[in-house]
Amino acid sequence: DTGVSQDPRHKITKRGQNVTFRCDPISEHNRLYWYRQTLGQGPEFLTYFQNEAQLEKSRLLSDRFSAERPKGSFSTLEIQRTEQGDSAMYLCASSTQVDTIYFGEGSWLTVV
Amino acid sequence: GENVEQHPSTLSVQEGDSAVIKCTYSDSASNYFPWYKQELGKRPQLIIDIRSNVGEKKDQRIAVTLNKTAKHFSLHITETQPEDSAVYFCGRRWGNMLTFGGGTRLMVKP
Repeated sequence: DTGVSQDPRHKITKRGQNVTFRCDPISEHNRLYWYRQTLGQGPEFLTYFQNEAQLEKSRLLSDRFSAERPKGSFSTLEIQRTEQGDSAMYLCASSTQVDTIYFGEGSWLTVV
Repeated sequence: GENVEQHPSTLSVQEGDSAVIKCTYSDSASNYFPWYKQELGKRPQLIIDIRSNVGEKKDQRIAVTLNKTAKHFSLHITETQPEDSAVYFCGRRWGNMLTFGGGTRLMVKP
């Protein structure tokens, strides 16, 4: 499968712990996006990379969230000191220079 | 200017009927408007999109219309089938960001 892949697919963590999600985009895609989706809501934009540069970051994103794309290929999203409100699905998406973005299957986070 | 409003939030139709979902936006800079379908527990998948230089686009039973003056665009599904049941999201590009509406849960009753 040459689509966007995310790992892990599911994560249950205790409040206060740190979690990290990984995204591998479609190989020729230079643009990478992270979104958060809660039940019954649309995907909410978190951040955007073009190659290794993080060009956009939502002002809704707290300082506990950090994302990297060190070599312009895979990306990681880390959440520090998780809170119950962080429980959501974290979606990664990628695209080329054109507009269409392709989503991964998402990483479900449950904070207990 | 980031938000896009989507209506209705739920829509129930009889199999064979048409379904229409509408989205509105506020800024004039948006130039790309996709629609995604998301089945339960699965990734959102692009079903159709339209760019601002076009007023309408059709793909079999699915069509999208765009009214740039009024700043709204709509998804039309004709001859609905049970497998069309899903959540549909409209989106629009605003700068480097693609932002989404809150979604419409479409239920097609057999």
